[in-house]
Amino acid sequence: TAGITQAPTSQILAAGRSMTLRCTQDMRHNAMYWYRQDLGLGLRLIHYSNTAGTTGKGEVPDGYSVSRANTDDFPLTLASAVPSQTSVYFCASSPVRGGTDTQYFGPGTRLTVL
Amino acid sequence: GQNIDQPTEMTATEGAIVQINCTYQTSGFNGLFWYQQHAGEAPTFLSYNVLDGLEEKGRFSSFLSRSKGYSYLLLKELQMKDSASYLCAVMDSNYQLIWGAGTKLIIKP
Repeated sequence: TAGITQAPTSQILAAGRSMTLRCTQDMRHNAMYWYRQDLGLGLRLIHYSNTAGTTGKGEVPDGYSVSRANTDDFPLTLASAVPSQTSVYFCASSPVRGGTDTQYFGPGTRLTVL
Repeated sequence: GQNIDQPTEMTATEGAIVQINCTYQTSGFNGLFWYQQHAGEAPTFLSYNVLDGLEEKGRFSSFLSRSKGYSYLLLKELQMKDSASYLCAVMDSNYQLIWGAGTKLIIKP
């Protein structure tokens, strides 16, 4: 199985432009997450979804939005990108949110905002 | 605030043993995870501790002391492929994972 896929692998984006990072999982997990990873900092949760049709804000949600129309897909949208959003973005999933089950991560999207 | 502390970088020799420490202060505790992350790749799960004590899994072991807010990851018989960052994460009372910045482990021949 593919697990979790993310697209694109990397992207250079002009400030002020919008962009959607795609995430798809084939494990039928209920919970999905978006993190950003910056040098010297731990992974920080942007948004999460407990199940299809629901979303919640994480630690750093400003400037980002998500939707969860179905179980498999969890896109992350930057409405108007700023240079501080330059980061590596990881999508993750787990069978349920908050359980003892591990989170499974996608390969990441490296985003540079100029 | 919530805080996870681990050393930024450690160096060890192939075949040796290394211990990576993690201390935490969080709002509640629902378990501690260790993940491995090779450069340019996604984190992958190594271990989970929710009760005090040592969990052994092959060459890797993880220890937890909840009263001290402390955990360590022990790697034995180090191999070059163990060169990676090791991430400590605690699940807080809201079932959110709080992540440390990671420890970069360099293995020398």
